[in-house]
Amino acid sequence: EDQVTQSPEALRLQEGESSSLNCSYTVSGLRGLFWYRQDPGKGPEFLFTLYSAGEEKEKERLKATLTKKESFLHITAPKPEDSATYLCAVDGSARQLTFGSGTQLTVLP
Amino acid sequence: DTGVSQDPRHKITKRGQNVTFRCDPISEHNRLYWYRQTLGQGPEFLTYFQNEAQLEKSRLLSDRFSAERPKGSFSTLEIQRTEQGDSAMYLCASSLRGAGETQYFGPGTRLLVL
Repeated sequence: EDQVTQSPEALRLQEGESSSLNCSYTVSGLRGLFWYRQDPGKGPEFLFTLYSAGEEKEKERLKATLTKKESFLHITAPKPEDSATYLCAVDGSARQLTFGSGTQLTVLP
Repeated sequence: DTGVSQDPRHKITKRGQNVTFRCDPISEHNRLYWYRQTLGQGPEFLTYFQNEAQLEKSRLLSDRFSAERPKGSFSTLEIQRTEQGDSAMYLCASSLRGAGETQYFGPGTRLLVL
């Protein structure tokens, strides 16, 4: 059974204070690892797809990395508008996305 | 740019009533997925279609739930005899092909069962 665990559950940062979110996963065959951003009351918004260990992707202040057991979402110099819940999901042996519970990020001005 | 759309955005119903939700995927996407999300949790898979064929259903999908995608385009999710435990956000997503392909989500339908 595919499993995804995200930590921390909640994170409060000052504007400009860089940090990382963690996503640990267990799958028998990884077909893709996905990061989404979700604002309250809205559907998840796609950020990144990673397929193999060592892969990295960047978009503005966000950078996602992947190892064989976990993925990190690095946030550099965050702004208040980066406040959201960040969801990690895997496409593995279950042949559909298995999500973690998310990290609720709050960036204070 | 026409992303995934869902209708209605909000639904309030009384316990025991039937409700139906609609999802219009991104055009040319042949895979369509339904998920359910409760507060503080990530989305949970319910079912998916490849074109008009329903290929997989989660054990979360009780007999009261039924989904269709009659012409391989839009899809409907019906819940019969709603229960308070059905209150959740129902999300639809679509992808171009299958394994490893990015799923793009709609805005969701928020269901409240009184």
